[in-house]
Amino acid sequence: KAGVTQTPRYLIKTRGQQVTLSCSPISGHRSVSWYQQTPGQGLQFLFEYFSETQRNKGNFPGRFSGRQFSNSRSEMNVSTLELGDSALYLCASNTPEGNEQYFGPGTRLTVT
Amino acid sequence: AQSVTQPDIHITVSEGASLELRCNYSYGATPYLFWYVQSPGQGLQLLLKYFSGDTLVQGIKGFEAEFKRSQSSFNLRKPSVHWSDAAEYFCAVGTLYSGGGADGLTFGKGTHLIIQP
Repeated sequence: KAGVTQTPRYLIKTRGQQVTLSCSPISGHRSVSWYQQTPGQGLQFLFEYFSETQRNKGNFPGRFSGRQFSNSRSEMNVSTLELGDSALYLCASNTPEGNEQYFGPGTRLTVT
Repeated sequence: AQSVTQPDIHITVSEGASLELRCNYSYGATPYLFWYVQSPGQGLQLLLKYFSGDTLVQGIKGFEAEFKRSQSSFNLRKPSVHWSDAAEYFCAVGTLYSGGGADGLTFGKGTHLIIQP
């Protein structure tokens, strides 16, 4: 069974730009969670999507948004990028039983 | 609000020695507890999890963890470490929904494990 796929793996953007990251969960998983990892704040929950609906949201500004498609693939978007948005963005595919989260390799975003 | 504390930022252990990584949590309901490992530049790999039942849980790579409700702890142990165990270890607490979906996990800040030859 294929694992969680995240694209792109690395990204460099300039302040003020926007960015879209993609995540393909494990086949059969309908829930996807997104996390931001930085050296200062550690791992922080962004949001979770289940069957195309955002069900949970962490404490991030509205510049961070996401969506999920009917095939369970998910995207997250960050608008008006700031230097502090530089981070590793991790996507997790959540099992149907609801008892495990499998993480992808992440997208490393650098904002200059 | 839920929280996770990993008191040790760095731990250095000699290869072949035993290991214990500490984790304390604060959670209003029955916690679901996890340990993840992250190698440089990689995502997170689940080592083990605790939902209920036996408080000593076995995981992959020879790791185990013990849930102690009275101490709000979920410490990770390994009897003999290998150089390949050098990595960042994260303890997490959260709620996962039966039927699919998950509330966001709350992670500790991590413990960086260094293995001395």
